[in-house]
Amino acid sequence: GAGVSQSPSNKVTEKGKDVELRCDPISGHTALYWYRQSLGQGLEFLIYFQGNSAPDKSGLPSDRFSAERTGGSVSTLTIQRTQQEDSAVYLCASSKGQDVDEQYFGPGTRLTVT
Amino acid sequence: AQTVTQSQPEMSVQEAETVTLSCTYDTSENNYYLFWYKQPPSRQMILVIRQEAYKQQNATENRFSVNFQKAAKSFSLKISDSQLGDTAMYFCAFMKRHSGNTPLVFGKGTRLSVIA
Repeated sequence: GAGVSQSPSNKVTEKGKDVELRCDPISGHTALYWYRQSLGQGLEFLIYFQGNSAPDKSGLPSDRFSAERTGGSVSTLTIQRTQQEDSAVYLCASSKGQDVDEQYFGPGTRLTVT
Repeated sequence: AQTVTQSQPEMSVQEAETVTLSCTYDTSENNYYLFWYKQPPSRQMILVIRQEAYKQQNATENRFSVNFQKAAKSFSLKISDSQLGDTAMYFCAFMKRHSGNTPLVFGKGTRLSVIA
């Protein structure tokens, strides 16, 4: 079946502009995660959705970052007033939401802020 | 908070040889899981192997095996009979056990090059 998809694959934006990154999880997966991978760093957790529960936003680095998940499926990560330090690969993952299911990752969106 | 440390930023190995990637972690949790993920140049993260902390037996998946030392908080990955397709970034990750999933905590990765 189809895996996790993300769009766009690459995004170049000017400092100060807003960007939206999209994630389509695997159908039926109730858990969805956003991670950020900066150059030379491991993956850093940003936000986590589980079913209808309130999202875990504890990893968001600033109030310029927000995310929503509509209808328990597609998710959008929004970065307002982008800064150069926001340049990174943003990875989305989904899982069935049961006890320690494998997280399936999308190919990521490479964001470059000029 | 949990931390994961991978002390080898880069490694290389000859094709068909064996290589071991190191990972240590710090946690006060008793129930947790450990993972190794592979990230080739395509950026796609692929699960290589996982280990439940409550199991003493080391996990194996074909050419991949782990050496899990719970008391030492060490979780190394051994790749046997290395192949050119094993060239990738390898990330060690920690997940505390909870009802439902929790986010993964990753190390900074080890870049492995398999040389022909």
